[in-house]
Amino acid sequence: GENVEQHPSTLSVQEGDSAVIKCTYSDSASNYFPWYKQELGKRPQLIIDIRSNVGEKKDQRIAVTLNKTAKHFSLHITETQPEDSAVYFCAASRDTGTASKLTFGTGTRLQVTL
Amino acid sequence: KAGVTQTPRYLIKTRGQQVTLSCSPISGHRSVSWYQQTPGQGLQFLFEYFSETQRNKGNFPGRFSGRQFSNSRSEMNVSTLELGDSALYLCASSFGGFLTQAGELFFGEGSRLTVL
Repeated sequence: GENVEQHPSTLSVQEGDSAVIKCTYSDSASNYFPWYKQELGKRPQLIIDIRSNVGEKKDQRIAVTLNKTAKHFSLHITETQPEDSAVYFCAASRDTGTASKLTFGTGTRLQVTL
Repeated sequence: KAGVTQTPRYLIKTRGQQVTLSCSPISGHRSVSWYQQTPGQGLQFLFEYFSETQRNKGNFPGRFSGRQFSNSRSEMNVSTLELGDSALYLCASSFGGFLTQAGELFFGEGSRLTVL
C-alpha cells in the first residue's frame, strides 16, 4: 500500500520567514496530494491540493510543488504569521473515481515565533 | 450549511468493552470516511462508506467495524477495547460520487476515546 513520509516533524520559524515541509510517497499511481492544517484542538482543514497533471499550485502565501519522477511534494508558506502555527499533514491518494482513501504523513508542527 | 457532526465528543471506556461512535455528514455528501488520530501515528485510514457500502478499508483488525445508513449517517464500532485504541476518531465526509475526482474531505471535530 501507499506510504507517505513527512519531514520535518517540528519546524520553528520567525514571523515573516518562509517555511517548507516535504513529503515523499511510495505509490507511483498516486495522483492526488492534499495538505491539511490542524490547529490545536480543532479539526483538520484542507488548505491546498494538487493533482499529478500539475507541477505547482499557488494560493496567496501558500504553494505546493510536485515532482512525480522523484515522488515527492512540498508545501511552501511565505511571509509566515502567528496564525500559521499549527500541525500540517500531507496526504496522497490514488484517485480511482470510486473510492476515497487518503494516506497521511505523520504531521509537521509549525511554530511561528514573533 | 451544517458541518460534520460527531457524537459523542468524549468518552471513557475500560478494556474489553465496546464502543459505538456516530457521524452525520454534510447534507448531500454520500461518502463518509473514518480516521484514527494518535500523537505518534498521525491520521490512519479506517474505512470509507458510500451509499451504505464499504468501498475501502484500512489495515485495522476486525474489531473495528462500521456501517452507513440510507441517510448517509455512519457509525463505527470497536469491540473488545484495548488500551492502544485510545485515540481521537475523526469522521470526514465528501461528495464522493462515482467517477468524480477525489476532493476535499470535511472533518468533524472527532470523538476522543480513552480506554482505561
